Amino acid sequence: DTAVSQTPKYLVTQMGNDKSIKCEQNLGHDTMYWYKQDSKKFLKIMFSYNNKELIINETVPNRFSPKSPDKAHLNLHINSLELGDSAVYFCASSQKAGQQYFGPGTRLTVT
Amino acid sequence: AQTVTQSQPEMSVQEAETVTLSCTYDTSENNYYLFWYKQPPSRQMILVIRQEAYKQQNATENRFSVNFQKAAKSFSLKISDSQLGDTAMYFCASPRGTSYGKLTFGQGTILTVHP
Repeated sequence: DTAVSQTPKYLVTQMGNDKSIKCEQNLGHDTMYWYKQDSKKFLKIMFSYNNKELIINETVPNRFSPKSPDKAHLNLHINSLELGDSAVYFCASSQKAGQQYFGPGTRLTVT
Repeated sequence: AQTVTQSQPEMSVQEAETVTLSCTYDTSENNYYLFWYKQPPSRQMILVIRQEAYKQQNATENRFSVNFQKAAKSFSLKISDSQLGDTAMYFCASPRGTSYGKLTFGQGTILTVHP
């Protein structure tokens, strides 16, 4: 059983398009996260939700909008994609401040 | 600003030997966890080991152990009997306030194990 899953794993799209990445966890965790890993492998948190409530919102362009329909799902919608949005996006979940379990990542390429 | 510093961008080791990856961090929390994650070429982020800050005993997981120096805010990872499958990027992570698991990751260390 996959603990944290993301779809799609690869996403290639053109500038200006709108796209979504979906994340689901079956671990029963209360907290979910979105991270961005850039081309230099630097991993930075973007958002965190606890029980469907947004608790962390780093300095991220408002073209990025997370949505949590329930505590097992956290989706990321990106409007008007730009070249600089190309990166690997990771979803993760945890129970409060414990170990974070990561999804397989989504490699987004904007052309 | 709360930071995590991994001062070794790249390391290499011969198979079966021991290597130590360094990490220093800065947090204002009193009770917290520290983590080492491994990212192989498959890009999956895998937890290697975690340390609870209130425990003085260093954490150990098979060939992986840490040297945790709380006062110095140092958290190094020792890999014994290195294997080819240990080749990966290693990230150290420490908390950034709140109890909701906000982590700061270091810049990463690329470890290559040579046969």
